[in-house]
Amino acid sequence: AQSVTQLDSQVPVFEEAPVELRCNYSSSVSVYLFWYVQYPNQGLQLLLKYLSGSTLVKSINGFEAEFNKSQTSFHLRKPSVHISDTAEYFCAVAPQGAQKLVFGQGTRLTINP
Amino acid sequence: GAVVSQHPSWVICKSGTSVKIECRSLDFQATTMFWYRQFPKQSLMLMATSNEGSKATYEQGVEKDKFLINHASLTLSTLTVTSAHPEDSSFYICSVLKPGSGAGELFFGEGSRLTVL
Repeated sequence: AQSVTQLDSQVPVFEEAPVELRCNYSSSVSVYLFWYVQYPNQGLQLLLKYLSGSTLVKSINGFEAEFNKSQTSFHLRKPSVHISDTAEYFCAVAPQGAQKLVFGQGTRLTINP
Repeated sequence: GAVVSQHPSWVICKSGTSVKIECRSLDFQATTMFWYRQFPKQSLMLMATSNEGSKATYEQGVEKDKFLINHASLTLSTLTVTSAHPEDSSFYICSVLKPGSGAGELFFGEGSRLTVL
């Protein structure tokens, strides 16, 4: 079985400041790792994913996440946030070869001007 | 635009009644859909996997007679909460697996908030 822990339920930051959203997981098998984002009044959208290869993965809007196998982490970072990044962010894992996602509790990112 | 549509987005019902929630795939045919439940400030919990033309696969601890899932066509899956009680109040979210898409590339509906009085 898999589990995901997002250590921060809420993260407030000022616009243009850097941010890191933490995610740790546990699994007895190899997993794929994902970050999903939910903007207000919208469904979840895939932000980025790690399947294999380079441990650093990037999204088109400036976010990046690094898979750290030894620390079983997949933290999400952005060097400079914008008001439009305000959303709920969910970390998720799936056993390799399966489509069943196990989600973390979510982190609400609030950007203050 | 939206790829997955859920209806209704919110519903209030009396205890003992049944409520049906629809999940439609708008852009492609989907043989597999997933139903999740989310409690306030908690993670999404997978309830069941809906397979077109066959019985749904329920996760451990989810009552299949309580949460009826029907996937009668390649674009529609429905979740019926039967004899609803206040503890069934929750946010229900469906997701759709696009054929040929990569791992984890699920498309999610906006969710349906159920309140049972």
